[in-house]
Amino acid sequence: NAGVTQTPKFQVLKTGQSMTLQCAQDMNHEYMSWYRQDPGMGLRLIHYSVGAGITDQGEVPNGYNVSRSTTEDFPLRLLSAAPSQTSVYFCASSGGQSPYQPQHFGDGTRLSIL
Amino acid sequence: KQEVTQIPAALSVPEGENLVLNCSFTDSAIYNLQWFRQDPGKGLTSLLLIQSSQREQTSGRLNASLDKSSGRSTLYIAASQPGDSATYLCAVLNQAGTALIFGKGTTLSVSS
Repeated sequence: NAGVTQTPKFQVLKTGQSMTLQCAQDMNHEYMSWYRQDPGMGLRLIHYSVGAGITDQGEVPNGYNVSRSTTEDFPLRLLSAAPSQTSVYFCASSGGQSPYQPQHFGDGTRLSIL
Repeated sequence: KQEVTQIPAALSVPEGENLVLNCSFTDSAIYNLQWFRQDPGKGLTSLLLIQSSQREQTSGRLNASLDKSSGRSTLYIAASQPGDSATYLCAVLNQAGTALIFGKGTTLSVSS
């Protein structure tokens, strides 16, 4: 049972480039979410999804897009990378349509924007 | 706006000590509170989840309590071990059930 898998683990981008961070879970969880973790700021919610075809914004959604075409996958897109988006990104999932249940986290993607 | 605070930011103890980590939140209208562990370079691992109607949860050497009216939770670790060294985060789920709000964590170091 792989749990929550994030790819890539590390990425360096130039300002203005676009990229997609991948997140997949094999636990048939309805709720999935993306967080960013910055020193001194803690984890902050970017976007979340309560099921295929349903997404909503979190606390810091600007500069990021998401879609949820399947239960398993929840990719996060950076449209035009900015240095302020340098961070560690975590994907999480849980059973049900809300984080009522314990969250399962991936190991993160460490992203640097030059 | 819900704010979650964890004190202390860092803690060093010798092996075998019992210790308490603190978490406070400003809005008592929460659905649940969760404690996580994060090892360096890794994701978060859920340790304990306390529903708003509960007072405490226990798992092995860990015991978490919740006092919703005062906006406080504690994580008690008994007989600490070097393997307990990690960052411990608490998070509250808002009553709408849409967002987890995290504290900044307490980094624990247990020396042998």
